[in-house]
Amino acid sequence: DVKVTQSSRYLVKRTGEKVFLECVQDMDHENMFWYRQDPGLGLRLIYFSYDVKMKEKGDIPEGYSVSREKKERFSLILESASTNQTSMYLCASSSPDMNVNIQYFGAGTRLSVL
Amino acid sequence: AQSVSQHNHHVILSEAASLELGCNYSYGGTVNLFWYVQYPGQHLQLLLKYFSGDPLVKGIKGFEAEFIKSKFSFNLRKPSVQWSDTAEYFCAVLFTGGGNKLTFGTGTQLKVEL
Repeated sequence: DVKVTQSSRYLVKRTGEKVFLECVQDMDHENMFWYRQDPGLGLRLIYFSYDVKMKEKGDIPEGYSVSREKKERFSLILESASTNQTSMYLCASSSPDMNVNIQYFGAGTRLSVL
Repeated sequence: AQSVSQHNHHVILSEAASLELGCNYSYGGTVNLFWYVQYPGQHLQLLLKYFSGDPLVKGIKGFEAEFIKSKFSFNLRKPSVQWSDTAEYFCAVLFTGGGNKLTFGTGTQLKVEL
């Protein structure tokens, strides 16, 4: 079974803090993704990566950055957390093979910025 | 930009009622289609998918969906819902030329009452 592990289920941070959300997958997937999930808005793509040290902006990258130093790990960084970044953050991974292109999700990190 | 619409935001059904959740997308090209489900407190998981072939696809737990290309639709159905189907359901579309990025609908909260 594919396993996508997010380091924290719940985080509480203060405005202006630098926040790191970590995600690790164990299926040797090339593709990794970060989404945020908000009620009534569904899942919105923040950043994604097709390979190590490679990153692409998603639909809502403002206020975020990412790091992919190893294939299995994809980190989301909030340089200076703000209250409007309070949300559920989901990490996902997938194979690049279009015939089996299924994204597998982690359990999510619920971040509160006070 | 391509988009995915889920018209029902909240649905309340009694056990044994039939379910149909709508999903429409805005693209005339080749697509891969998915329904994901998120049970309370759990991570997103794949319910079913359509890549090609028979437009009627069957997923887990008795769910099925029909791809109607002419209507740009991929509606989810279940003949008889159970209390355990209470969850949030997301339609997602992978548009060709979009790499491996999924575009999600805003989700439908389904509550099944005993």
